This record gives sequence, C-alpha cells and structure tokens, in this order.
Amino acid sequence: NAGVTQTPKFQVLKTGQSMTLQCAQDMNHNSMYWYRQDPGMGLRLIYYSASEGTTDKGEVPNGYNVSRLNKREFSLRLESAAPSQTSVYFCASSENFGYGYTFGSGTRLTVV
Amino acid sequence: QKEVEQNSGPLSVPEGAIASLNCTYSDRGSQSFFWYRQYSGKSPELIMSIYSNGDKEDGRFTAQLNKASQYVSLLIRDSQPSDSATYLCAVNMGEGDMRFGAGTRLTVKP
Repeated sequence: NAGVTQTPKFQVLKTGQSMTLQCAQDMNHNSMYWYRQDPGMGLRLIYYSASEGTTDKGEVPNGYNVSRLNKREFSLRLESAAPSQTSVYFCASSENFGYGYTFGSGTRLTVV
Repeated sequence: QKEVEQNSGPLSVPEGAIASLNCTYSDRGSQSFFWYRQYSGKSPELIMSIYSNGDKEDGRFTAQLNKASQYVSLLIRDSQPSDSATYLCAVNMGEGDMRFGAGTRLTVKP
C-alpha cells in the first residue's frame, strides 16, 4: 500500500521552463490537494479537487494549473516557472473534505 | 482573512515532561481541526483530529478544542526525544480549504 506517490522528488528548472508534477493515490480517496511549503510560511493551498472532474483554486493558484485525470491522479503544472515558485510541493489526499490528509513525500523544486 | 496562528517556538522540554502546543484560528465557522507532525525533511503526518469541543485522547496525545475561544491545543505526555519535530495545526475553513499554521518546533531533551 503506497499511499500517495509524488514524482519527481527533486527538480531544477530554468526560469521560463515548464514542468508537471505528478501525484497518484491508491487509497480510493475522493479529494486531492496541492500545497507548497516555504520556510516560515507553512503550507499554502494551491489547488484542490473534491472528486474526479472537479478542481478549485486555493490560496495561491497564480502561475499553476491542475488536472484531475481520474480518481487516482492529480497533476500540477507550471507553465512558465519563476524563481518565486522555488519551494517544496506536497500532494495530499483525503476520503472527503473535512477529513485528515495523507501526504506524499514531496517535490523539492528549485527555479534558477 | 483566513488565518491559523501558532507560536513558532522552538519549544524545549525535558524527556518525560508534558509538551503543550497551542493554535488559534480566525474562522468562527470552522468545523474540523487537525494536528500533524513533520520531521525535518519529511512530509507531514496526521496524528490527531478533533471535531467537537472538549478533549480527545489517543495514547500520549490529547487534543483540546474550544470553539468559543477559537483555540486548539495539543498535549504530549511523557515526551520522548523521538517526539522532536515540527507540529502543524490545521483548520478546515470550508469545503476543501484546509489552512495550516506555520508550525511549532518542539525539541525534547534527554
């Protein structure tokens, strides 16, 4: 039982490059989330998905897009990376809204 | 503004003592509350959830909720060096909008 799997674990991008962070869960959870974590600022919600086919903006959505490909997979895309997007990105899932989360292991992204 | 506030610490306690971690939140309508533990370089791990006023105990952990005061706390009894980590308070402020505090760093000294 893998839980929540994120890829890649580390990535270095040049300013303006694009990339997609992948996330998959095998717990049959309905809801999935993307957060970024920066020193001193805690976890901030980027996008979330209540269920397959639905996505909503969180607290800091600018510069990001998401796709809820199916119930298992929720990807995060950076179309034109900026140094301000240097962060650790976590994907999480929960049975439904209002339940506790299971987090993936994170992606450490550096934009130079 | 939807906010969750925690004292960043560091909080240092001796082994065997009680560690007390506190959190306040801004949205009076919030209904579900969580504590996560995060070791350095690792992802957050859910340790407690609480949904109604009062205390909830799970092993050495006790979560306390006071909705009138918009206050959540976590007590760790018989603290162990392995409890040394950052503890994140999280509050569900509606639908999928879970907000996290910046975390309190706890150090348990042998």
